[in-house]
Amino acid sequence: KAGVTQTPRYLIKTRGQQVTLSCSPISGHRSVSWYQQTPGQGLQFLFEYFSETQRNKGNFPGRFSGRQFSNSRSEMNVSTLELGDSALYLCASTYIMGGARNEQFFGPGTRLTVL
Amino acid sequence: QKEVEQNSGPLSVPEGAIASLNCTYSDRGSQSFFWYRQYSGKSPELIMFIYSNGDKEDGRFTAQLNKASQYVSLLIRDSQPSDSATYLCAVKRQGGKLIFGQGTELSVKP
Repeated sequence: KAGVTQTPRYLIKTRGQQVTLSCSPISGHRSVSWYQQTPGQGLQFLFEYFSETQRNKGNFPGRFSGRQFSNSRSEMNVSTLELGDSALYLCASTYIMGGARNEQFFGPGTRLTVL
Repeated sequence: QKEVEQNSGPLSVPEGAIASLNCTYSDRGSQSFFWYRQYSGKSPELIMFIYSNGDKEDGRFTAQLNKASQYVSLLIRDSQPSDSATYLCAVKRQGGKLIFGQGTELSVKP
């Protein structure tokens, strides 16, 4: 099975611009979660989508948004970019099953630099 | 207090020794617990999960969970230089949100 793919892998933007990142989960996985990773804050949860619905949300401003399509692919959008948005954005996919398991598998990430 | 806490390290152990990584969490309703390994410049890779009290062993790795003490640990036996990485503890809360600790940097010296 192919793993989680993310595009693009690297992105350079300037303040005020907006950006869209894409994630394709492992085939059969219906849940996609997004995380922001920075050296200072570590891995922080952005949101989770399952069956095209946002199921969980982290503590990020409304400039961060996402969506999921019927094929489980997901996109996240950041509008009005700020310097502090420079980070590695990670997508993780999960095959939801009953019980407490539901391991998340990460994609390679998108490195966003805001100048 | 952070919801998931880990010592940032670095934790340095000699090759062949046992590396012990620790994690505490604050939400008593947490259901399952994961250990991820992250090499520099790479994304996190799942190495262990545990959801019931006690020990779970997989090769050189042992995860230990004590829900009463809200404590989870990872032991790496016969540590190798290739084990040098940052180890992230993650806790799945009720409702499904996965919360990560800051990670512990492990350095295994030849």
